[in-house]
Amino acid sequence: DIQMTQSPSSLSASVGDRVTITCRASQTISRFLNWYQQKPGRAPRLLIYSASTLQSGVPSRFSGSASGTDYTLTISSLQREDFATYYCQQSYSTPHTFGQGTRLEIK
Amino acid sequence: EVQLVESGGGLVQPGGSLRLSCAASGFTFNNHWMSWVRQAPGKGPEWVANIMEDGSKKNYVDSVKGRFTISRDNARKSLYLQMNSLRVEDTAMYYCARDMRGGPNDCWGQGTLVIVSS
Repeated sequence: DIQMTQSPSSLSASVGDRVTITCRASQTISRFLNWYQQKPGRAPRLLIYSASTLQSGVPSRFSGSASGTDYTLTISSLQREDFATYYCQQSYSTPHTFGQGTRLEIK
Repeated sequence: EVQLVESGGGLVQPGGSLRLSCAASGFTFNNHWMSWVRQAPGKGPEWVANIMEDGSKKNYVDSVKGRFTISRDNARKSLYLQMNSLRVEDTAMYYCARDMRGGPNDCWGQGTLVIVSS
């Protein structure tokens, strides 16, 4: 199975900050990388797929990029509603494994 | 509006069985792979299984192979997960999710809670 190593596990930031979350795949996944946001008591919400394609309805302050087996989610200017937990997921091969998550908290 | 509604969760003893259902509406069900994803309390999501549009191909995570069976009824626009030989570690919220091309899950249900405990 492909392992997804996500960092950091938690992050404190302020409204207006730029934040970056990274996910490293244990092997090549050819940009089959997705990012989700999850708030307590809710199902995950798809933000970005294919490493850098913004899902419909997602604000443009969210972006994704890739370099080799490293994938990055960037939030350019944090808004209050962005404080949540973020997960990466590879969909290159089954099982479609998730990263361990990054909890983004208000500083 | 795309909607997925799960049902069938509950409390079951170790070794028992449950059948989860997911009713889909608002999209052409038989045009999409579908998945089950679970999330244990306080943990991240874990992909469990998915099934091809016509049901001819299925994939499972190793931890459920031989115990869980994913199936679908396109006429009823429904997805199912038959869970046998349940273990304490299967305790989780189980989500039904629609697959996009390339595998991301763009629509999710609200989840149904499965608790395996004696």
